[in-house]
Amino acid sequence: KAGVTQTPRYLIKTRGQQVTLSCSPISGHRSVSWYQQTPGQGLQFLFEYFSETQRNKGNFPGRFSGRQFSNSRSEMNVSTLELGDSALYLCASSLATRNTEAFFGQGTRLTVV
Amino acid sequence: GESVGLHLPTLSVQEGDNSIINCAYSNSASDYFIWYKQESGKGPQFIIDIRSNMDKRQGQRVTVLLNKTVKHLSLQIAATQPGDSAVYFCAENKETSGSRLTFGEGTQLTVNP
Repeated sequence: KAGVTQTPRYLIKTRGQQVTLSCSPISGHRSVSWYQQTPGQGLQFLFEYFSETQRNKGNFPGRFSGRQFSNSRSEMNVSTLELGDSALYLCASSLATRNTEAFFGQGTRLTVV
Repeated sequence: GESVGLHLPTLSVQEGDNSIINCAYSNSASDYFIWYKQESGKGPQFIIDIRSNMDKRQGQRVTVLLNKTVKHLSLQIAATQPGDSAVYFCAENKETSGSRLTFGEGTQLTVNP
């Protein structure tokens, strides 16, 4: 059974640009969550999508957005990139009946220069 | 090689010893408390969870203890092995928040041969 796949693994962007990250969840998982991981702030929840609807949203500015497609694949977008957006972005998928057991991808390392 | 009661950002133990990793949580309304392990270059991996109405749960070589009186969670790893070296995070989940996980600070566990 394939795990959670995130693409790309690494990205370098310039301030002011926008970026789109992709996540393919485990087959059968309808919940997809996104997290930002930085040395200073740790792991912070961005948002969760379930059946193409945003079910939860963390405390991030509107520059951070996401969506989920009918096949449960998800994308997140960050517009007008800032240096502080440099982080590891992690996607996690889970079964609707097992919210606590999230399966994480390896993440996308975003560097903003 | 144990730390009891106090969260430490790093913990170093000898192979074969028992390890105790601590976490203080903030939300008394959380329904589940969970432990995740993150190895270098990988996303977090689910270890074990405990429902808020329990005080102890055992898994394979791991035990989670929950003390709601002092809002304290601990993870005990028996016979620690080099493969246990990783960063360990505690997390909280509320059933009404879907798959949203609120992570605590991590503890870097180093197992010395």
